[in-house]
Amino acid sequence: TAGITQAPTSQILAAGRSMTLRCTQDMRHNAMYWYRQDLGLGLRLIHYSNTAGTTGKGEVPDGYSVSRANTDDFPLTLASAVPSQTSVYFCASSAAGQGAYNEQFFGPGTRLTVL
Amino acid sequence: QKEVEQNSGPLSVPEGAIASLNCTYSDRVSQSFFWYRQYSGKSPELIMSIYSNGDKEDGRFTAQLNKASQYVSLLIRDSQPSDSATYLCAVIGGSARQLTFGSGTQLTVLP
Repeated sequence: TAGITQAPTSQILAAGRSMTLRCTQDMRHNAMYWYRQDLGLGLRLIHYSNTAGTTGKGEVPDGYSVSRANTDDFPLTLASAVPSQTSVYFCASSAAGQGAYNEQFFGPGTRLTVL
Repeated sequence: QKEVEQNSGPLSVPEGAIASLNCTYSDRVSQSFFWYRQYSGKSPELIMSIYSNGDKEDGRFTAQLNKASQYVSLLIRDSQPSDSATYLCAVIGGSARQLTFGSGTQLTVLP
């Protein structure tokens, strides 16, 4: 079982360009999440989806958009990248969207550099 | 005040010793608490979850929760060099219902 896959592994992007980070899970989890991890700031939630067809904003949603057309895929789009979006991006999933027993499992990450 | 606080470390312990990692949280109605391990350049890996007061043991790991003191800890017994990593505390609060992470504690186990 692959679990969660992310693509690309790393990317260098010119400022102003758009990019979509891909995330796919094969665990039939209802909920999926996008985090960014920056030195000294820890993991911060960008967007989430509790179930297919619904999305919500996290702590740092500005400059990012998501869609959840089906259970397995949760792409993250940067419409016009800026250098402050340089970060490591992690996709995660959990069986339940909300509730106390919300164990989240992480993908391998995408390292994005915006120049 | 940050919602989830951890000592950033670094914390160094000799091989075979007990490593103690601490975490405090601000939301009194938080219900669920998790410890993740993250090796350098890798993604966070869930190693422990705890939901009620007291201790929960899994192999060399013990999670301890005290909701009255808003405190959760992770003990690693018989520490090994392979335990060297950053340990992230994460909490599901009462209002947002999403996972909030601490900034992590870097642990080094010295051979």
